[in-house]
Amino acid sequence: NFMLTQPHSVSESPGKTVTISCTRTGGSIAGNYVNWYQQRPGSAPTTVIYEDYHRPSGVPDRFSGSIDRSSNSASLTISGLKTEDEADYYCQSYDSTTVLFGGGTKLTVL
Amino acid sequence: EVQLVQSGAEVKKPGESLKISCKASGYSFSTYWIGWVRQIPGKGLEWMGVIYPGDSDTRYNPSFQGQVTISADESISTAYLQWTSLKASDTAIYYCARRLNFNRLDPWGQGTLVTVSS
Repeated sequence: NFMLTQPHSVSESPGKTVTISCTRTGGSIAGNYVNWYQQRPGSAPTTVIYEDYHRPSGVPDRFSGSIDRSSNSASLTISGLKTEDEADYYCQSYDSTTVLFGGGTKLTVL
Repeated sequence: EVQLVQSGAEVKKPGESLKISCKASGYSFSTYWIGWVRQIPGKGLEWMGVIYPGDSDTRYNPSFQGQVTISADESISTAYLQWTSLKASDTAIYYCARRLNFNRLDPWGQGTLVTVSS
């Protein structure tokens, strides 16, 4: 079994850069891909990063993903923050038997 | 355009049964897994399980095994999530989504709000 832990909330000003972490406990973060989803209030989630660092078409290049083996964590970085980026963000990964989401991070752009 | 359209909101009493649906269009329904995700209001996302419509192979999150049934009807490109006896704790938004490589879910349906209250 494994867990994915995210900060409950982060906040930053428009135009700045923010990084949201997703720490894996149990198993290697590099062993299974990490996907990231954005969920705006009242809407279904959408993919912003898949397979650690790939960006779907239509997602601005202000969004980037990475993994860090030393901290066993994945990160979602959003640069040039806009008010429209205010949302909940979830990481997701898996092992041979389980698929899990992180607890989610509420991003406030103020 | 790939699209998943879910059935409308439901209000049920404890002990009642329910089946909600997810109709797919714009792709070959039989050849992609469909997943279901629960979101209790104000809380995070929970992976419930997946089904492969081509052969009805179904995999459940152990936390939901025996609590719900996932099924699919290839002939009408529709997946289902079913309860035989609802509890108040089943109150949530339920999303379906197409599962791509490495468990990426894309796109998602609009969600179905299920409210269970006496």
